[in-house]
Amino acid sequence: GNSVTQMEGPVTLSEEAFLTINCTYTATGYPSLFWYVQYPGEGLQLLLKATKADDKGSNKGFEATYRKETTSFHLEKGSVQVSDSAVYFCALDSSYKLIFGSGTRLLVRP
Amino acid sequence: KAGVTQTPRYLIKTRGQQVTLSCSPISGHRSVSWYQQTPGQGLQFLFEYFSETQRNKGNFPGRFSGRQFSNSRSEMNVSTLELGDSALYLCASSLLVQQETQYFGPGTRLLVL
Repeated sequence: GNSVTQMEGPVTLSEEAFLTINCTYTATGYPSLFWYVQYPGEGLQLLLKATKADDKGSNKGFEATYRKETTSFHLEKGSVQVSDSAVYFCALDSSYKLIFGSGTRLLVRP
Repeated sequence: KAGVTQTPRYLIKTRGQQVTLSCSPISGHRSVSWYQQTPGQGLQFLFEYFSETQRNKGNFPGRFSGRQFSNSRSEMNVSTLELGDSALYLCASSLLVQQETQYFGPGTRLLVL
């Protein structure tokens, strides 16, 4: 079946460091791919999405490219801020439902 | 445009009781999905409704049920609560078709004692 695998956290970085959170997927066909972010005590917020191969989603300095060859959708940001501290979820769309990865906690230190 | 709203935000119940959670989607959105989030199992899909019809269901026991009303508002019900049902229950809405972005509400945190 379809599945999403994310790198284990927590990821701890200093402010202004470069961020990469790895995400790979297994799916039949070409599902849409998403990154959601969850701040403490809140629901999920859509961060970015890509709907087809080679699409790049971007928002708030975060980027991810839909790579069909490597079945990956890695999240990157060039310079993280303390306010980026949260849990990040990679997800794919599968028959009217989202399949999520296990989440990666990011902690950014001043 | 108002986002997805969920009520109540917090709930404490005891084992054996039942609970009903409510979700109001973004105006114009006709699809509503429910997810359960726990530290051990992560985010798991419960069910999805569109035009009052359940289109997809996850692997949860029959104690978990839901429905959608003609105004697209949705409720989920859990009967005979177990300790393991303690979780954050998230509702998401989307416009119409498959692969549309799902927008999430803040969730209802349920604690079963």
